[in-house]
Amino acid sequence: AQSVTQLDSHVSVSEGTPVLLRCNYSSSYSPSLFWYVQHPNKGLQLLLKYTSAATLVKGINGFEAEFKKSETSFHLTKPSAHMSDAAEYFCVVRGANGGSQGNLIFGKGTKLSVKP
Amino acid sequence: DTGVSQNPRHKITKRGQNVTFRCDPISEHNRLYWYRQTLGQGPEFLTYFQNEAQLEKSRLLSDRFSAERPKGSFSTLEIQRTEQGDSAMYLCASSLQAGGTETQYFGPGTRLLVL
Repeated sequence: AQSVTQLDSHVSVSEGTPVLLRCNYSSSYSPSLFWYVQHPNKGLQLLLKYTSAATLVKGINGFEAEFKKSETSFHLTKPSAHMSDAAEYFCVVRGANGGSQGNLIFGKGTKLSVKP
Repeated sequence: DTGVSQNPRHKITKRGQNVTFRCDPISEHNRLYWYRQTLGQGPEFLTYFQNEAQLEKSRLLSDRFSAERPKGSFSTLEIQRTEQGDSAMYLCASSLQAGGTETQYFGPGTRLLVL
């Protein structure tokens, strides 16, 4: 079965410093992995997705994530945090690659706080 | 705006009442998903449709829950005899499954409070 574990429930950084949100996955085959962001009172927005094309995936708003099979990790990074990055971030794995199971399996989320 | 829309955005009801939520997917998206998100947790899958066919239901979807997608367009999620434990955010997502990895686009959600 597929699953994701977000290693930190809360991360706090200062504006202008790097962001690192950690995620480990478990999958019996090559996974499809995603990061979504949820701002208060807004819907979930896709930041980026990994689909086995390139291990370093670039997303919106300067975020990127690197797929490391040997470490079963898909950590999210950004070189310089902005106040508007404050939100909840979810690491997500797709239920199955192809077939009828398209559902997403979400981690518990990491709340990112950005201090001025 | 051509994104996923959900109505109502908020619903307060008394225990034992029935409620119905509506989701309008992105036009021409053939898949539609329902998720539930409780406070402090990530969304959990409930069910999904490919066109009008309901292809999978989670164990979370008790027999008090029913979902439909007539004509493969909008979808409704009904909860009968609501319980306080049903209080949550109900999220809808749609996608176009046409080979390759689909991307699910989420609506703003319907927040349900059962008193």
